[in-house]
Amino acid sequence: EVNLVESGGGLVQPGRSLRLSCAASGFTFDSFGDYAMHWVRQAPGKGLEWVSGISWDSNDIGYADSVKGRFTVSRDNAKNSLYLQMNSLRTEDTAFYYCAKDVEHCSGVVCSNWFDTWGQGTLVTVSS
Amino acid sequence: DIQLTQSPSSLSASVGDSVTISCRASQSIATYLNWYQQKPGKVPKVLIYAASSLQSGVPSRFSGSGSGTDFTLTINNLQPEDFGTYYCQQTFSFRPLFGGGTKVEI
Repeated sequence: EVNLVESGGGLVQPGRSLRLSCAASGFTFDSFGDYAMHWVRQAPGKGLEWVSGISWDSNDIGYADSVKGRFTVSRDNAKNSLYLQMNSLRTEDTAFYYCAKDVEHCSGVVCSNWFDTWGQGTLVTVSS
Repeated sequence: DIQLTQSPSSLSASVGDSVTISCRASQSIATYLNWYQQKPGKVPKVLIYAASSLQSGVPSRFSGSGSGTDFTLTINNLQPEDFGTYYCQQTFSFRPLFGGGTKVEI
């Protein structure tokens, strides 16, 4: 069973930086490098917000408008790890940050994607 | 960006009721629409993928329908364990945004 564990959260002042990591384990017949990965955040008591995603080979990368230009996603398939570099943090970035594994299922020529595995999250608090 | 609008934002229903949650996309997304359930303190769990495909292990009282811009999640014979917040998600683009969520109270 695949397991995702986030780390790197904490209390940080506005304008400062933080780097989150997501360590993946438990792959059997597949590997971390087979999957696109994403970061999703959830402010306390609020809804889910997709933050960033990266394809298996890092060729496709996307960001939510709210973090574009400030956050950078990356991955190291050799280390089974996903990262999120967060710069110029704002109070509104306060949230639990989850990494999630993107699974693709194809039926004929039609392929569908969803997030099948999530980490337990790491809390980022941006406050002076 | 493709925006998703869920309605209602919350609802209260009784055990045995049928419940319907709507999700509307700002542009056509074919059937690239998923539904998740999240319970307090837990991570989301996928219920429906590709608009109408039931994820393995999910009770058959959950069903999804729709294509294009209008989608529906239906819960038949609502059970006490079905409380939580439900989110739709589009995967038409590599910016898989979520809807705002619908909180279901029993």
